[in-house]
Amino acid sequence: GQQVMQIPQYQHVQEGEDFTTYCNSSTTLSNIQWYKQRPGGHPVFLIQLVKSGEVKKQKRLTFQFGEAKKNSSLHITATQTTDVGTYFCAGRTNAGKSTFGDGTTLTVKP
Amino acid sequence: KAGVTQTPRYLIKTRGQQVTLSCSPISGHRSVSWYQQTPGQGLQFLFEYFSETQRNKGNFPGRFSGRQFSNSRSEMNVSTLELGDSALYLCASSSGGTGAHRETQYFGPGTRLLVL
Repeated sequence: GQQVMQIPQYQHVQEGEDFTTYCNSSTTLSNIQWYKQRPGGHPVFLIQLVKSGEVKKQKRLTFQFGEAKKNSSLHITATQTTDVGTYFCAGRTNAGKSTFGDGTTLTVKP
Repeated sequence: KAGVTQTPRYLIKTRGQQVTLSCSPISGHRSVSWYQQTPGQGLQFLFEYFSETQRNKGNFPGRFSGRQFSNSRSEMNVSTLELGDSALYLCASSSGGTGAHRETQYFGPGTRLLVL
């Protein structure tokens, strides 16, 4: 079945450093979504990427969708303590099935 | 608009019992998906309901079942509970778009189930 691998599992950074998490799907995706889950909270939608090679920015966050629509990345520039949490990607196939990556948990040291 | 609500928020059961969890989607949303979240397994897709029909199903045993009512509210049931069923159960609602422009999923706060 479809698999979505996400790396790294954990990332510890000093405040101000950059952070990147990567998602890799075993199958071509229809779209990919990114979510953020704060400790003790529930996943909150960040963005959806649909087109091959798409790049979207939200302030310090940059999201990319690979040309083959099988991989994606989320990059945070100059992390802040408010960025802590677990970032999940969720890949959706044309069949409509959504598979979440295992998430990358980001901790930021002030 | 009110967000996704889930009841109950916390539940303690013993092995062998059954449990029913409820999810009320955002008003106007017709799709409800259920996920199991555990520290070791991440977010695992259980099933998705759209207009009272199961549209997609994950790889969970038949002990896990669900349904959706005409008002889009959804329930999931787990029978013969096992210790490994202890998890946070999340439901997510969306308007129900399919294909490339999948609608955003809005998650509820979850039901935390502990099986003793």
